[in-house]
Amino acid sequence: GDSVTQMEGPVTLSEEAFLTINCTYTATGYPSLFWYVQYPGEGLQLLLKATKADDKGSNKGFEATYRKETTSFHLEKGSVQVSDSAVYFCALGPMNRDDKIIFGKGTRLHILP
Amino acid sequence: KAGVTQTPRYLIKTRGQQVTLSCSPISGHRSVSWYQQTPGQGLQFLFEYFSETQRNKGNFPGRFSGRQFSNSRSEMNVSTLELGDSALYLCASKRGSNTEAFFGQGTRLTVV
Repeated sequence: GDSVTQMEGPVTLSEEAFLTINCTYTATGYPSLFWYVQYPGEGLQLLLKATKADDKGSNKGFEATYRKETTSFHLEKGSVQVSDSAVYFCALGPMNRDDKIIFGKGTRLHILP
Repeated sequence: KAGVTQTPRYLIKTRGQQVTLSCSPISGHRSVSWYQQTPGQGLQFLFEYFSETQRNKGNFPGRFSGRQFSNSRSEMNVSTLELGDSALYLCASKRGSNTEAFFGQGTRLTVV
């Protein structure tokens, strides 16, 4: 079945470091792809999305490109801040009416000042 | 535009009791999904409702049930609570099938 695999954390970086969180997927078609972020004590917030191959989603300095050839949607940010500390989830959108969104297990990110 | 609203935010219940959680979706969204989030199991899908019909169901025991009303508001009920039901319960709404989901802040349930 369809699935999402993302790198397990925690990931610890210093402020202003470059961030990459890997995400790969398995799907029979071409789903929309999402990154969600969860800050402590909060629900998930949509960070960015891409709906077709080669699309680049971006928001708040984060970027991810929908790569069909490598079935990947890696999250990147050029210079992280302490306020980026959170859990990040990669997700696969439903392709049919009765499908559900499939989430990865989440990657916890710690940014040190 | 108001976001997804979940009530209550925090709840403490005793083993064996039952609990009902509420979710009001974003206006115009007809799909509501529920998730259980725990440190050990991560984010697990409970069920999805669309226009008052359950469209999808996760792998949870029958003690977990839900419903959706004609105004798209949804409730989930857990009967005969167990200690392992302690979790953050998240609700998400979507406008249509192939669109992104928007989450509420969750209800933190503690079973003692």
